[in-house]
Amino acid sequence: DSGVTQTPKHLITATGQRVTLRCSPRSGDLSVYWYQQSLDQGLQFLIQYYNGEERAKGNILERFSAQQFPDLHSELNLSSLELGDSALYFCASSVFGGTSYEQYFGPGTRLTVT
Amino acid sequence: DQQVKQNSPSLSVQEGRISILNCDYTNSMFDYFLWYKKYPAEGPTFLISISSIKDKNEDGRFTVFLNKSAKHLSLHIVPSQPGDSAVYFCAASIRGYSTLTFGKGTMLLVSP
Repeated sequence: DSGVTQTPKHLITATGQRVTLRCSPRSGDLSVYWYQQSLDQGLQFLIQYYNGEERAKGNILERFSAQQFPDLHSELNLSSLELGDSALYFCASSVFGGTSYEQYFGPGTRLTVT
Repeated sequence: DQQVKQNSPSLSVQEGRISILNCDYTNSMFDYFLWYKKYPAEGPTFLISISSIKDKNEDGRFTVFLNKSAKHLSLHIVPSQPGDSAVYFCAASIRGYSTLTFGKGTMLLVSP
C-alpha cells in the first residue's frame, strides 16, 4: 500500500460528459502528479501541483483541468469526454524539494467512455 | 517524440535465471533514472534508481547499470522469481525538476 488513495476505482460514462477523479496523497507529501495510461502507452504525465500551486504541465488537454486543495488532496476534472479519453488515470505524490525523486502511485481510476 | 524508450514489449525468463530489461533515452539533460514495477490492477511501485554520477546501483537482487555515453540503462534481476512477473517501467528526470518521463514498459514473465 503506497499510502496514496484514488477514487473512484472505476468510472463508466458517456461521450460529452464530465467527470471528476479524486486523489489523496501520502501523509506529508506536498506534490501531486496526474498521469494517463492509455492502451499500449506508457504513463503520460499530465500535470503537477505542489502545495496548492500548479508546478508543471505535461500533455494535458485543454478539456482537462486539475486543482489541489488546502488539505492537499487533488481533483482531476475531465470534460467533453471523448472515446479516446478511456484510460487508466494515476495519481502520484512525492516530497518535493528533497533529494528523493521517487513518486508513490495510487491504484488508479479506470475511466471508460462509451 | 519518445524521450525514454523500452524497445522490448515483453521478456520471458525461467525462474533462477537473470532478467535484463533495457531502456534508452534521447534527452541528454536527463540525470536521474528510476525503475518502477507494476502488477495488474495496481499502481506502479518504485523499485530502484540511479543518479548520472554513478554507473551502477545495487539493491538486493536488483541492479541498475547506466551507460551515459550510450544513453542506455538496464535493470538486472538475479535470480529471477515468479513473483517478479510484472510490467517494468523505466523513467527519467532532470535534477531540479520533479516530473518523470516514462517509457512504455516491458512485461516480464518469469516461469517456474
